[in-house]
Amino acid sequence: EVQLVESGGGLVQPGGSLRLSCAASGFTFSDYLMHWVRQVPGKGLVWVSRINSDGSATSYADSVKGRFTISRDNAKNTLYLQMNSLRAEDTAVYYCARDSTWNAFDYWGQGTLLTVSS
Amino acid sequence: QTVMTQEPSLSVSPGGRVTLTCGLTSGSVSTSYYPSWYQQTPGRAPRTLIYSTSIRSSGVPDRFSGSILGNKAALTIAGAQADDESDYYCALYMGSGNWVFGGGTQLTVL
Repeated sequence: EVQLVESGGGLVQPGGSLRLSCAASGFTFSDYLMHWVRQVPGKGLVWVSRINSDGSATSYADSVKGRFTISRDNAKNTLYLQMNSLRAEDTAVYYCARDSTWNAFDYWGQGTLLTVSS
Repeated sequence: QTVMTQEPSLSVSPGGRVTLTCGLTSGSVSTSYYPSWYQQTPGRAPRTLIYSTSIRSSGVPDRFSGSILGNKAALTIAGAQADDESDYYCALYMGSGNWVFGGGTQLTVL
């Protein structure tokens, strides 16, 4: 069974940093692209970032480019999102999602909440 | 700047049929955008319904179907059930490793 479990969310002050993790199991992690998607409570889904299977290629939404870094450790079956220079508007539930190989998202984690506030 | 469009809200009667659409303010949605559809109920993670226009995700009943209708991607729900009452999001692959979600459609079954 495919499982994605996010962790690392919490309360951070504006300008601060945090790293989210997503532990994957039930599939060969190193075979799949992975994504981060976020959602402000009560609002819609927003794609944040993706990384290819070996970590050599990444892409980001304009709103986080230069501040967030996606990475992965295939030996640990774990996806990461390093978030720096955090802003109030980064407050959201962050989901990791597996790429379906059809340029879509097929499995989702349960999400982890980041709150940026003083 | 091109923006994605979805109906903010729709309603359907139990047993009825409803079509949700996903468009662009400039241009047409085609299969080249690999349109996909997701269902989400409050407090829960999204559930993947459809990817690459019309491929049903594992375990999704065949009353959910995806297509291109005119210049938009479409999700059709046939034989609507009470637990279909959810938010539905489409996503498009915009190329160059970038994806965009629509604003979502709140579907009411009544």
